[in-house]
Amino acid sequence: DGGITQSPKYLFRKEGQNVTLSCEQNLNHDAMYWYRQDPGQGLRLIYYSQIVNDFQKGDIAEGYSVSREKKESFPLTVTSAQKNPTAFYLCASSIDLGARGATYNEQFFGPGTRLTVL
Amino acid sequence: GQQLNQSPQSMFIQEGEDVSMNCTSSSIFNTWLWYKQDPGEGPVLLIALYKAGELTSNGRLTAQFGITRKDSFLNISASIPSDVGIYFCAGRNYRDDKIIFGKGTRLHILP
Repeated sequence: DGGITQSPKYLFRKEGQNVTLSCEQNLNHDAMYWYRQDPGQGLRLIYYSQIVNDFQKGDIAEGYSVSREKKESFPLTVTSAQKNPTAFYLCASSIDLGARGATYNEQFFGPGTRLTVL
Repeated sequence: GQQLNQSPQSMFIQEGEDVSMNCTSSSIFNTWLWYKQDPGEGPVLLIALYKAGELTSNGRLTAQFGITRKDSFLNISASIPSDVGIYFCAGRNYRDDKIIFGKGTRLHILP
C-alpha cells in the first residue's frame, strides 16, 4: 500500500535528551514536511524539503533539525534546545511544493507521533 | 505571518443535522484543501479545490472555492456520529505558493 508512515506512535523522552522521529513515504513525492500540533491549535510548520539534500526552515524551526538523504525519508530530530517539545508531530508529503503552474500539490499526512517529555 | 480565519471554532449539533463551516483570508489563494482529523491521527484529505467558484462533493460533503478567492466553505449534510472530529481548511497562497492551515473546527454530535 502507498502511504506515509511515522514511527513510533508514542515517544517519551527525558529532559535534555535528543530524540529522532521517523517519517517514510512510498508515494514517490518530492516534497516532505514536518508540522507540530498543540492542543486546540492548528498545524505549525517546522521544516520542509523539496528535494533530496535540501530543506528549509518553517515557522518554528528553532530546537529542531532534519535531514533528507533519501527521497523516501525525512527524519526530524527534536533537540534539547527545544524549550517545550511535548506535542503531536505530523509528517506530510506532496508531489511537489506547488511551483507556479502545478495543479496537484495536496499534502498527505502520516498518522503522527505523540512526544512527551518527562 | 499569514493566517486563515476558520469558523466556528467548535460546533455541537444533533445527529442528522447539516453542518457548515468556513475559512477566510485577507490574501488570494489558488488552492483550498479541506481535511478531517480524528483524535490521535493525522489529517485526512477530504476535498481539494483549484478554481474560483468550483463546487466539489465527496459523498455528504460539499466544498466551494469562493469567487473572491479569499474564502471557502465546507458543508456536511445529514451528520452521523463518525463525522465527529476536527476539520481543517488549508490554502495555498497565490503570492508565495506556501500552504497555511486554519486552526480547525471541532465538530461534536450530541446523542
